[in-house]
Amino acid sequence: DTGVSQDPRHKITKRGQNVTFRCDPISEHNRLYWYRQTLGQGPEFLTYFQNEAQLEKSRLLSNRFSAERPKGSFSTLEIQRTEQGDSAMYLCAIPQPGQGNSPLHFGNGTRLTVT
Amino acid sequence: AQKITQTQPGMFVQEKEAVTLDCTYDTSDPSYGLFWYKQPSSGEMIFLIYQGSYDQQNATEGRYSLNFQKARKSANLVISASQLGDSAMYFCAMREGPSNFNKFYFGSGTKLNVKP
Repeated sequence: DTGVSQDPRHKITKRGQNVTFRCDPISEHNRLYWYRQTLGQGPEFLTYFQNEAQLEKSRLLSNRFSAERPKGSFSTLEIQRTEQGDSAMYLCAIPQPGQGNSPLHFGNGTRLTVT
Repeated sequence: AQKITQTQPGMFVQEKEAVTLDCTYDTSDPSYGLFWYKQPSSGEMIFLIYQGSYDQQNATEGRYSLNFQKARKSANLVISASQLGDSAMYFCAMREGPSNFNKFYFGSGTKLNVKP
């Protein structure tokens, strides 16, 4: 149990379909981050929330991507009209509870494969 | 410009030997934090060690130490007495600014293989 639950763990979809991922932090924190990791690369920042407010979005987050955190607890990331280039691991993170200097604490991610 | 550069895509080390993984960073902010993460083949990201820009001493956590050279903007991870379980991807990351909640920038990683 990493403290951040992501669902689903794996998602295979056909190009053009919409997909939605969910992130549920077990411990509450006002900050929540989404990152994307492609094979052999480090995580890339997508967006983050302060409570329910989306404070920053990366230029990687095209208009096909939308993220929400409606009640300031769980968050969803939706990709519309998926493309093969969207295939990646999508990681959710919160500042690590009980740890000084607040390193990011990641969930196990959702692996998306677009065929 | 890349915020974090890891120039070693892959490294091999003999079990029980020490290994250094390189990381250089780029920032003009005087306040920043540097982090190292381990990602085994199972995929989870495991936080290893932290170094603040104002810290006078190099950080240590068990077998992990951080060789922080501020003038050279480098933050190399040293793993002593390598174990087979250390085989994994290692990522260097930076958080700019004084807030503990700013976003992180990650490098492209180094794949470490520990040989028996």
